[in-house]
Amino acid sequence: DTAVSQTPKYLVTQMGNDKSIKCEQNLGHDTMYWYKQDSKKFLKIMFSYNNKELIINETVPNRFSPKSPDKAHLNLHINSLELGDSAVYFCASSQDGESWYDYTIYFGEGSWLTVV
Amino acid sequence: SQQGEEDPQALSIQEGENATMNCSYKTSINNLQWYRQNSGRGLVHLILIRSNEREKHSGRLRVTLDTSKKSSSLLITASRAADTASYFCATDGATDSWGKLQFGAGTQVVVTP
Repeated sequence: DTAVSQTPKYLVTQMGNDKSIKCEQNLGHDTMYWYKQDSKKFLKIMFSYNNKELIINETVPNRFSPKSPDKAHLNLHINSLELGDSAVYFCASSQDGESWYDYTIYFGEGSWLTVV
Repeated sequence: SQQGEEDPQALSIQEGENATMNCSYKTSINNLQWYRQNSGRGLVHLILIRSNEREKHSGRLRVTLDTSKKSSSLLITASRAADTASYFCATDGATDSWGKLQFGAGTQVVVTP
């Protein structure tokens, strides 16, 4: 069973469209994240949720809206897609309660978004 | 700006050789982690070293951390073709929120048989 699964894996869409990427984790983790990896492979955090509550919201255009219906799911909705949104979006999760010094973030396989 | 920067950007070695890559960062950290990313796949956690640790081993991996120089190194011994991947360091800043890892751009390692 995949620990962190996200769909779709590939998405090609036109500028101006609205799209969603879904993420689910079956690890029982309390915290989930969205990271974005650009064409140069730089990986940057966008959002994190802890028990459905937003705790990290980086400088991301408000066209990006995360939604966490429960602690096992964190979806990413993107409105009015732009060419610059083309990237790989990774969902991830980690467990609360571990030491501040010791925790592991588990990543999904990524969703390749291409805006044309 | 990126917190971690890996060096070299790319590394090509033959099977059996050791691969060493370095990571430098800018601010105080709680820990530093190394991840591997195979082409077209997600990131896989390899090893975490705490800010109060200097060296850590896991199988064929050896990580060092020098907080005075704000740098870390990852050594893969006796490399295999299956080690071909991009390797990223990520830091958990001491003043950052839980899980807000800062990644470098990665070192692309190619191991040829």
